[in-house]
Order: sequence, then structure tokens, then C-alpha cells
Amino acid sequence: AQSVTQPDIHITVSEGASLELRCNYSYGATPYLFWYVQSPGQGLQLLLKYFSGDTLVQGIKGFEAEFKRSQSSFNLRKPSVHWSDAAEYFCAVGAGGTYKYIFGTGTRLKVLA
Amino acid sequence: DVKVTQSSRYLVKRTGEKVFLECVQDMDHENMFWYRQDPGLGLRLIYFSYDVKMKEKGDIPEGYSVSREKKERFSLILESASTNQTSMYLCASSLGTVLYGYTFGSGTRLTVV
Repeated sequence: AQSVTQPDIHITVSEGASLELRCNYSYGATPYLFWYVQSPGQGLQLLLKYFSGDTLVQGIKGFEAEFKRSQSSFNLRKPSVHWSDAAEYFCAVGAGGTYKYIFGTGTRLKVLA
Repeated sequence: DVKVTQSSRYLVKRTGEKVFLECVQDMDHENMFWYRQDPGLGLRLIYFSYDVKMKEKGDIPEGYSVSREKKERFSLILESASTNQTSMYLCASSLGTVLYGYTFGSGTRLTVV
């Protein structure tokens, strides 16, 4: 079955600390992978996406993610977290030629001052 | 930037009422989507539309219908609202396949009492 798993429901980090949010997927076809962020009271915004090529992709707001096919993972990272990064983060997977994603259940990030 | 506007930020409706949630996008996107967001369940697709008057059921269409009479507008209809439809509803649009990413509205928080 096709699925996306975000094992961590909540994560708390201190401002300035590094961050890694985990995402594992199960998908029959070659996956296209995405991370979205939802700030409080807002809709989702696309952070970054991976289709092919370099397995380390850069996104907006200083985020990056690494695709590891052998581990079926697409973890999101940021070297130094800012208080404004507090939000909920969603990993999603889709296939070329399709219109719909499969979303993970989200990870809520709290940032301590 | 594409804008997706949801007409209401908060709605309170009574059980059994017919409820209309409206969504408008301003960049001529082909595809529009309605998702429901619940804690611990992530985003679940209710319906999507890939063209005017065309629609396709998502994962949880029961109790909902949709209307797309014009390209820019996609309405979600709760035929007879029930308390288990209390949720956050997110509208999104996209230019094409998942490769293009989605643009989301800010959401409508619906409470059915």
C-alpha cells in the first residue's frame, strides 16, 4: 500500500539548534517527494520538492532535504532553527503524471527561545 | 503569486443544515482540490476537479458534494451537516500534475453544533 509516515508527532528544539524531521514512504512507482509547511492559521506552503538528480535538494527558508532510496526516506533538515519556524510540517509523495498527493500526518515543531 | 481565497475563515452551522464552502483561485489553474484536516489524521482528500464541471472523488467523499461551474471557483457542499464534519477544510489549486505543487488557501474552520 502507498503511504507516508512521519514518525514524530511533536518535536521541540531550541532556537539556533539544528533540526531534522523524518519522513518515510512506501510507494510502488518512482516517487516524487515534497515537504510543505503550515504556519499557525495558514494554509500549506511548498518548502521543497524532489523529482530526480541530486538527492540533496534545497528549499525556501533555509531548509534542505535528502532523498535516500535505500531507506525510503526524505528527511527535512535545517542547520539553525529560528523562532518563526514553529509550524506543522507535512511530507507528501506523488507520481509523475498524477494530480494527487499522499500526505503524511504531520510533525508539529515547537521552538524554544 | 497565485492566490487561493476561501470565503470564510470560521463557520458555525447547525446539524442538518446545508453548508457551502467557497474557494476562488486567481491564476487560471486547471486543478482544484478540497481537503479535510484533522489532528493526527493529516490531510485527507475529499474531492478534486481537473476541469470545469469535471470532478473526481477523493478518499472521503461521503457526505460531501462539489460544484465547479467556472474555472476559478470550486465549492464544497455539505448536504446535511453532521457533528463529525466539524473540521478544518483546505482548498488548493495547481497548474497541472503534482510536479507543479499545490497552492493552498488559509482554510475554513467549520464547527457543526
